[in-house]
Amino acid sequence: NAGVTQTPKFRVLKTGQSMTLLCAQDMNHEYMYWYRQDPGMGLRLIHYSVGEGTTAKGEVPDGYNVSRLKKQNFLLGLESAAPSQTSVYFCASSYGTSGYEQFFGPGTRLTVL
Amino acid sequence: GENVEQHPSTLSVQEGDSAVIKCTYSDSASNYFPWYKQELGKGPQLIIDIRSNVGEKKDQRIAVTLNKTAKHFSLHITETQPEDSAVYFCAASSRGSTLGRLYFGRGTQLTVWP
Repeated sequence: NAGVTQTPKFRVLKTGQSMTLLCAQDMNHEYMYWYRQDPGMGLRLIHYSVGEGTTAKGEVPDGYNVSRLKKQNFLLGLESAAPSQTSVYFCASSYGTSGYEQFFGPGTRLTVL
Repeated sequence: GENVEQHPSTLSVQEGDSAVIKCTYSDSASNYFPWYKQELGKGPQLIIDIRSNVGEKKDQRIAVTLNKTAKHFSLHITETQPEDSAVYFCAASSRGSTLGRLYFGRGTQLTVWP
């Protein structure tokens, strides 16, 4: 099992450009999450999904969109990148809600110039 | 929503010493408290967790304690080794919330000196 994988690992964008981050999991998990990690800020939830075809906003959703067309994939989109979106992005998945372990991917380091 | 505070933000210990990281939470409905370890360049990984019906849990050199009355929980690492050096995150989750989402502390950078 590969667990949770993320593509790409690194990316540099110019302000205003768009991109999509891909997350894939092979554990048949229903729940998937996108977090961003900034120095001294811990992990903040951007969007999440409780199953195929569903998405919902987390703590810091502005400037991002998501889609969950397939159970194993969760895509995070930036329509018009801003320097404030420079961060490390982590995808995670879990079998259930509270009390279930969240498995994290290796992260994507995004720099917006 | 839940607010989790974590201290200290950095911690340096000598190899073989113990390390303690403390977290407090605000929502009395929170009932699940995991700890994650993040090594450099990697995603966080669960190392131990505790539920509100238990006061202490131990796994080899790692232990977690929970005080529901005071709303705080702590991670204890004994006989620290250089490979324990990492960022540690505490988190809290409530079964009563829509998602049961995790609220993370801001992390503790632990450095173990040989």
